[in-house]
Amino acid sequence: DIQMTQSPSSLSASVGDRVSFTCRASQNIFTNLNWYQKKPGKAPSLLIHAASSLQSGVPSRFSGSGSGTDFTLTISSLQPEDFATYYCQQSYTTPLTFGGGTKVEIK
Amino acid sequence: QVQLQESGPGLVKPSQTLSLTCSVSGGSTSSDGYYWSWIRQRPGKGLEWIGYIYHTGNTYYNPSLKSLVTISVDTSKNQFSLKLTSVTAADTAVYYCARAAAATRWFDPWGQGTLVTVSS
Repeated sequence: DIQMTQSPSSLSASVGDRVSFTCRASQNIFTNLNWYQKKPGKAPSLLIHAASSLQSGVPSRFSGSGSGTDFTLTISSLQPEDFATYYCQQSYTTPLTFGGGTKVEIK
Repeated sequence: QVQLQESGPGLVKPSQTLSLTCSVSGGSTSSDGYYWSWIRQRPGKGLEWIGYIYHTGNTYYNPSLKSLVTISVDTSKNQFSLKLTSVTAADTAVYYCARAAAATRWFDPWGQGTLVTVSS
């Protein structure tokens, strides 16, 4: 199985901050990497697919980059509604696997 | 707009079978090009892909659960289902259904999720 490792597991930030966090795959997954946002009691929602493509309807302050084994999700200016947990998922091969998540908390 | 909704018992006894159904609206489970998926999140844990099914009935399961899982599709009812046998407390989780495009295998949209507790 491909292991997905996210770091940090949590971070504290303020509204307006630029924040970035990473996802590392245990082997080359090219650009088969997707990012989801999850809020408590809600279903995950797709933010970024294929490493850097913004899902329709997602604000442009979200961006993704990377290829191979190292990927980054960046929020350019954190908004109150962005406090959530973010998960990466590799779609290169089955079993499809997710990272452990990065929780973004209010400082 | 495709919407998915999970349904099923919220409480299952240990060693019994967990059964959930996902109802699809705004789209068709018989459409080419999509996998109909189950994913779970155990308390305090990350997301775990359980498996998915194509409208032809072809299934793909997570090997960690393969011997215990059955996913089926009923295109006449526009639903797909999950059965997990011999459950233990470790199967307590929020279970989500989701759609994945076959070519890309990212999940969108998702159902709201349903909490299933395994307890006597």
